[in-house]
Amino acid sequence: GAVVSQHPSWVICKSGTSVKIECRSLDFQATTMFWYRQFPKQSLMLMATSNEGSKATYEQGVEKDKFLINHASLTLSTLTVTSAHPEDSSFYICSASRSGKTYEQYFGPGTRLTVT
Amino acid sequence: AQSVTQLGSHVSVSEGALVLLRCNYSSSVPPYLFWYVQYPNQGLQLLLKYTSAATLVKGINGFEAEFKKSETSFHLTKPSAHMSDAAEYFCAVSGGGADGLTFGKGTHLIIQP
Repeated sequence: GAVVSQHPSWVICKSGTSVKIECRSLDFQATTMFWYRQFPKQSLMLMATSNEGSKATYEQGVEKDKFLINHASLTLSTLTVTSAHPEDSSFYICSASRSGKTYEQYFGPGTRLTVT
Repeated sequence: AQSVTQLGSHVSVSEGALVLLRCNYSSSVPPYLFWYVQYPNQGLQLLLKYTSAATLVKGINGFEAEFKKSETSFHLTKPSAHMSDAAEYFCAVSGGGADGLTFGKGTHLIIQP
């Protein structure tokens, strides 16, 4: 149990376009979802935290207008990278947690974004 | 606020030898501590977690870690390394609540035949 999926697993887009990444909890209700970013050979950095039905909380230095997060249901959160630039190329990983156990996060397989 | 320090960006051991990956943490509240493994181009797999129960935690694939509050450490060990253990390992800390995880920089484990 506690499976999280992401779609797509990899995406290539042109500079200036927008791309949406989906994160789904397949067999549990995720009251909280998290989005992380990982640069090559580096650690994961928390970008934002989202709770179902409310606005996401962004970490310092993360542009909320560029990285739009929507947590529309208890099983789906989306990250939209708007007006993408090559420096947005990265590995984006989501995680989800259940109610009452937000410290225990289940990670998706990640999405590799390449902006050309 | 929490932080994690992983000593050694690369650790190399021979197959069959002891694996020791070091993690020290800083937390203003009682921490929850985690070890994750990541294979190339994949997400994170949870190896084990400490959530204020037993200080010696056993995880998957023969790994275990011991929480030592006095040393603010949570080192990961495995008695006998296997070639399939070669991967990137991350230590992470959470303060609980709705906090995201704070990760260390990771340790790349190399297994020599």
